[in-house]
Amino acid sequence: AQRVTQPEKLLSVFKGAPVELKCNYSYSGSPELFWYVQYSRQRLQLLLRHISRESIKGFTADLNKGETSFHLKKPFAQEEDSAMYYCALSPDSNYQLIWGAGTKLIIKP
Amino acid sequence: EPEVTQTPSHQVTQMGQEVILRCVPISNHLYFYWYRQILGQKVEFLVSFYNNEISEKSEIFDDQFSVERPDGSNFTLKIRSTKLEDSAMYFCASSDSENTGELFFGEGSRLTVL
Repeated sequence: AQRVTQPEKLLSVFKGAPVELKCNYSYSGSPELFWYVQYSRQRLQLLLRHISRESIKGFTADLNKGETSFHLKKPFAQEEDSAMYYCALSPDSNYQLIWGAGTKLIIKP
Repeated sequence: EPEVTQTPSHQVTQMGQEVILRCVPISNHLYFYWYRQILGQKVEFLVSFYNNEISEKSEIFDDQFSVERPDGSNFTLKIRSTKLEDSAMYFCASSDSENTGELFFGEGSRLTVL
């Protein structure tokens, strides 16, 4: 079964501390993985996708096929990173995205 | 910067009533989607639409649901006879390609069925 698991509903870290939001997936083929972010009172927006291998707002995510993971990392958290983060999987590149439950990230001053 | 817009932002309706949620995708986009998120649950895919027809739909998208692109700019989701369990946030999204990997979302329409 296709599934995306984000084990942490809430993650709270201090400003300047490293952040890692976990995402594991279950899919037999070669999925495309994404991180979407929703800041307070704003719309869902793409943060990054594994195929582009870029760093956005200091965040990176590496697809680990052996561990079926796509964890989102940032070395030094900033207060403006506080948001809801969703990991999503696109099976067969058709954008019927399968979503994780989301992790609420709170950055404490 | 172009955005996907959705109306209404919040609708309250009685069970059994018909509801139409409206979306204006980004103008040069060709692929349109509806997702929903029941409070406290995951975002779920409902339907994708391309070239004036449904390209994919989920099990949730049963005969009570329909989509339409009536005039080349709007993209609507109709629920024929609402049920309590249809209460959710409904998100419209669009993209310019099936393969770019980025969906542009609207702010959502919150539907409350009483």
